[in-house]
Amino acid sequence: GAGVSQSPRYKVAKRGQDVALRCDPISGHVSLFWYQQALGQGPEFLTYFQNEAQLDKSGLPSDRFFAERPEGSVSTLKIQRTQQEDSAVYLCASNPDRGFGETQYFGPGTRLLVL
Amino acid sequence: GNSVTQMEGPVTLSEEAFLTINCTYTATGYPSLFWYVQYPGEGLQLLLKATKADDKGSNKGFEATYRKETTSFHLEKGSVQVSDSAVYFCALKGNTDKLIFGTGTRLQVFP
Repeated sequence: GAGVSQSPRYKVAKRGQDVALRCDPISGHVSLFWYQQALGQGPEFLTYFQNEAQLDKSGLPSDRFFAERPEGSVSTLKIQRTQQEDSAVYLCASNPDRGFGETQYFGPGTRLLVL
Repeated sequence: GNSVTQMEGPVTLSEEAFLTINCTYTATGYPSLFWYVQYPGEGLQLLLKATKADDKGSNKGFEATYRKETTSFHLEKGSVQVSDSAVYFCALKGNTDKLIFGTGTRLQVFP
C-alpha cells in the first residue's frame, strides 16, 4: 500500500512568509509525528498526535510553529513569519498504534529553504 | 534526559570490508533501540530494532545487539557492498512515543 506522503517536496520562502507543510500518513495509522532535520544532523522531534489529539508539542521551537490534525488523518505543520534558521527538512512519520517499540514509517520529507 | 551518541563519519570502506558503526545511549528505564538508514535521495527507513536487553536485531546482513551493561547498540555487517552507501542513524524510544536520534554516520563504500 501507499506509504507516508508529504507535500510539497521542496519549498522556498522569503523571510517573514508563512508556510504550510502537509503530511498524509499511512491509512489507518493512529499516531503521527513531525520531526525537523537540520543539514548534517539527525531528526529532532517536534510534535506528536494520536488521532486528532496533539499529545506532545514539547519540541516545537517557538510559537511560530503550529501543527494540526483535525480529522485524525492528514496533518499540517504551519510555520508563521519564517526565519532563516527554520531552513531544514521536515519529516513526518506514522505508526499503527501506541506501543512500546512500534516502528515509525517516515515520509520523504519537505525541504524548506528560507531566504 | 535521553540521548544517543554515534560515531562521526564519514566511514569509508572498500567493498567486502567489515563494518562497525558505534552507538551508545543514555536513557532512564528500558528504551527500544533502532537503526534507521537514509539512502541518497530517499526517506528514512527502519533497518533493524531491538526492544529489550540482549536482543539482536538483524536485516539485510546488518546486525546490532542491545547491550544494557555497556549502553550500546553498535551496527555491524560482515561484508559491505557499494549499495550500502548511505547515512545511518541510531535512535531510541523511551517511555514516551518520540524517537531520539543520533547525528548520523555517513558510510561510503568503494568498489
